[in-house]
Amino acid sequence: QKEVEQNSGPLSVPEGAIASLNCTYSDRGSQSFFWYRQYSGKSPELIMSIYSNGDKEDGRFTAQLNKASQYVSLLIRDSQPSDSATYLCAVRTGSGGYNKLIFGAGTRLAVHP
Amino acid sequence: SAVISQKPSRDICQRGTSLTIQCQVDSQVTMMFWYRQQPGQSLTLIATANQGSEATYESGFVIDKFPISRPNLTFSTLTVSNMSPEDSSIYLCSGTDRDRDGYTFGSGTRLTVV
Repeated sequence: QKEVEQNSGPLSVPEGAIASLNCTYSDRGSQSFFWYRQYSGKSPELIMSIYSNGDKEDGRFTAQLNKASQYVSLLIRDSQPSDSATYLCAVRTGSGGYNKLIFGAGTRLAVHP
Repeated sequence: SAVISQKPSRDICQRGTSLTIQCQVDSQVTMMFWYRQQPGQSLTLIATANQGSEATYESGFVIDKFPISRPNLTFSTLTVSNMSPEDSSIYLCSGTDRDRDGYTFGSGTRLTVV
């Protein structure tokens, strides 16, 4: 079982719609979760982090976490063509002074006009 | 956010040779991470580098192939040794973002081995 799983997509949504991206993880002890966006040919950029169960909103982005179900999601409201990218879910694992980020395979999002 | 300068941005190398990739951070970071991203794939962690101690390598990666240097809290290098075409990939360094939790990435090094 992969540590962090995402649907590879592509997820295609019309402009203005809500894009919903999902991620599951295997390490029940994980406490920190991140969403990154990666444009083609570029390095990943951090969008959001979430640590507690529930929702966290930042502009058009909402991250949702359910630790009991080991599930993280990212909602993008009012999707724009500029949101077309690969979205990577990352989970921080480890303990003590040693932590690392494990990434899912990413979901490719295509927002069409 | 922390800014990580990574170089070279790309290189084409002959098999059997070695390439050293450098990452310079504009602030001190405790831990730096080296990832590999093969075309169309996600990021695979190679190793974690702490200042003053040996790097910790992930399963499938060994120090002889990917030696790492971390002489201070703002700099790290990754060497890809005795390269083969299978080493062709994008290599990324990462460090803790000083302004918020989460890690910032360098711009990446696109390596092609011929």
